[in-house]
Amino acid sequence: EPEVTQTPSHQVTQMGQEVILRCVPISNHLYFYWYRQILGQKVEFLVSFYNNEISEKSEIFDDQFSVERPDGSNFTLKIRSTKLEDSAMYFCASRTSRETQYFGPGTRLLVL
Amino acid sequence: GNSVTQMEGPVTLSEEAFLTINCTYTATGYPSLFWYVQYPGEGLQLLLKATKADDKGSNKGFEATYRKETTSFHLEKGSVQVSDSAVYFCALRGVTQGGSEKLVFGKGTKLTVNP
Repeated sequence: EPEVTQTPSHQVTQMGQEVILRCVPISNHLYFYWYRQILGQKVEFLVSFYNNEISEKSEIFDDQFSVERPDGSNFTLKIRSTKLEDSAMYFCASRTSRETQYFGPGTRLLVL
Repeated sequence: GNSVTQMEGPVTLSEEAFLTINCTYTATGYPSLFWYVQYPGEGLQLLLKATKADDKGSNKGFEATYRKETTSFHLEKGSVQVSDSAVYFCALRGVTQGGSEKLVFGKGTKLTVNP
């Protein structure tokens, strides 16, 4: 069964460094999402992406964040200058035109 | 705005016990409601969903009924197994701007089932 994959599974970085989190959505999916979960808190929506542009973003998704679909298969989340409070589990999701979103296993980001 | 309040865990049960995880929501309009499950080391998997009032979603012995009058979507299973040990997330998809259909999640409830 096709699935969403994410790399790396864990990332440790220093504050102020740039990180890129990678996702490979299911191949025929059209809508892409990033969510995050800070330890002990809710899973929060960050951004949605469709037709090569952002369709909605949350207030968390400030100028330090960007998303890109550089080719036909990858979907990336870049954090330009990481902060301690960016430490979280980041989930990628994708869907077809139907509403069910399929999630990847997540990338655990730790900013020191 | 839309929000989901979910029973906090952790929940520990013995095998074959009855499970209820409470979930209530606040939303405008008529949201779709979901339960996702996360097994250790894996991503969020859709467990069941309901798209309108009085719908019952069911899968793998789990059930949840969309109750508009009480704005609830409680997850139940009559007899849990050790393999049900996981974190369970209640979520809603409301009417959103831009058509992104983002999900709004609860905090998650960790369930441990002991043999």
